[in-house]
Amino acid sequence: EAGVAQSPRYKIIEKRQSVAFWCNPISGHATLYWYQQILGQGPKLLIQFQNNGVVDDSQLPKDRFSAERLKGVDSTLKIQPAKLEDSAVYLCASTPAGDRSGDEQYFGPGTRLTVT
Amino acid sequence: AQSVSQHNHHVILSEAASLELGCNYSYGGTVNLFWYVQYPGQHLQLLLKYFSGDPLVKGIKGFEAEFIKSKFSFNLRKPSVQWSDTAEYFCAVNAEDTGRRALTFGSGTRLQVQP
Repeated sequence: EAGVAQSPRYKIIEKRQSVAFWCNPISGHATLYWYQQILGQGPKLLIQFQNNGVVDDSQLPKDRFSAERLKGVDSTLKIQPAKLEDSAVYLCASTPAGDRSGDEQYFGPGTRLTVT
Repeated sequence: AQSVSQHNHHVILSEAASLELGCNYSYGGTVNLFWYVQYPGQHLQLLLKYFSGDPLVKGIKGFEAEFIKSKFSFNLRKPSVQWSDTAEYFCAVNAEDTGRRALTFGSGTRLQVQP
């Protein structure tokens, strides 16, 4: 079974530029999460999708971050414009349909963003 | 909202030493608890989880954790560590009774096992 795919793996941009990350969850997984992991901290939820609908985006900085999952499969996270404090690893995770709270979340390798 | 504290930020052990990593959470309702591990250069993966039943949970690679509800704790243990256990360990929680499935993570503990 293929895991969660993310691209690119690394990205370096200047502040005020825009950037987009892509995630393809495990086939058949209905729930998709984007987490932000700043160096020295644990991952923090940005947004959760159930199929193509947003379940929780309460911690997403909506003035600069946006995300979509139009067909309920892969997802894109965008930052526009980027700030220095956005430097982090952006993790995508997915869980099977039904998304019971005890279900394991499967994580992708992450995209390491450096904003200079 | 839930929060998770991992008090040990960096632990250095020799091979065969015993390991205990602390994890405390704050939430008054029913929780599910997880330990995730990230080996160097690899992605986060589940080590073990608790969501009901026996509070002593056994996971992969000889790890176990005990849920002590009265102490809001879910400490990770291993009787004898190996060099290959060198990794970063994250404790995480989600609330069973809120419908919110996203995980709240602690800040992680970096374990370094010396041969």
